Amino acid sequence: GENVEQHPSTLSVQEGDSAVIKCTYSDSASNYFPWYKQELGKGPQLIIDIRSNVGEKKDQRIAVTLNKTAKHFSLHITETQPEDSAVYFCAARIRDDKIIFGKGTRLHILP
Amino acid sequence: NAGVMQNPRHLVRRRGQEARLRCSPMKGHSHVYWYRQLPEEGLKFMVYLQKENIIDESGMPKERFSAEFPKEGPSILRIQQVVRGDSAAYFCASSPVSGSVNEQFFGPGTRLTVL
Repeated sequence: GENVEQHPSTLSVQEGDSAVIKCTYSDSASNYFPWYKQELGKGPQLIIDIRSNVGEKKDQRIAVTLNKTAKHFSLHITETQPEDSAVYFCAARIRDDKIIFGKGTRLHILP
Repeated sequence: NAGVMQNPRHLVRRRGQEARLRCSPMKGHSHVYWYRQLPEEGLKFMVYLQKENIIDESGMPKERFSAEFPKEGPSILRIQQVVRGDSAAYFCASSPVSGSVNEQFFGPGTRLTVL
């Protein structure tokens, strides 16, 4: 069935360094890949997304890349700050409006 | 424009009781999705509804769970005869248009604890 794998499950980086989270998906028909940030006790918030006709997208310190052939997509956060600490979820949209989520990456920014 | 509203934020039930979770989508949104999140897990799709219609309930358990989105009022996720395994955070999301890649906006969630 449809599946989204996300790695790593936990990531610790020094403040100011970069963080990279990687995901793979199984459904080649997927055409939309959102990334969500979830802070403790809150609902997920969309931080960036990419569509299948684009290979890379950047928004300030956040960038996403998509390799449709390999069915990989990644989130890159540069110049990390304490407020970047949260759980990050990748997701892939399959048929209709169904979105499949990865299991999440808990990002810790170390002072 | 208020975001997606969910209530209650926290709900405690004893085994065998019923739980009712409510979701009011963003203004102008007619599509609602329910997800369940277990501790240290991602979000699992449960059901997708439009006004008065269930579009996709493939993620919902066949027994004890039901969902509705009436013409007037919020969407309701109902869990009958709750068991300890139902303890989780339940999130709803809404979007304005189907058949496109519109973003789903999430509510703050209802944390259900079954004693």
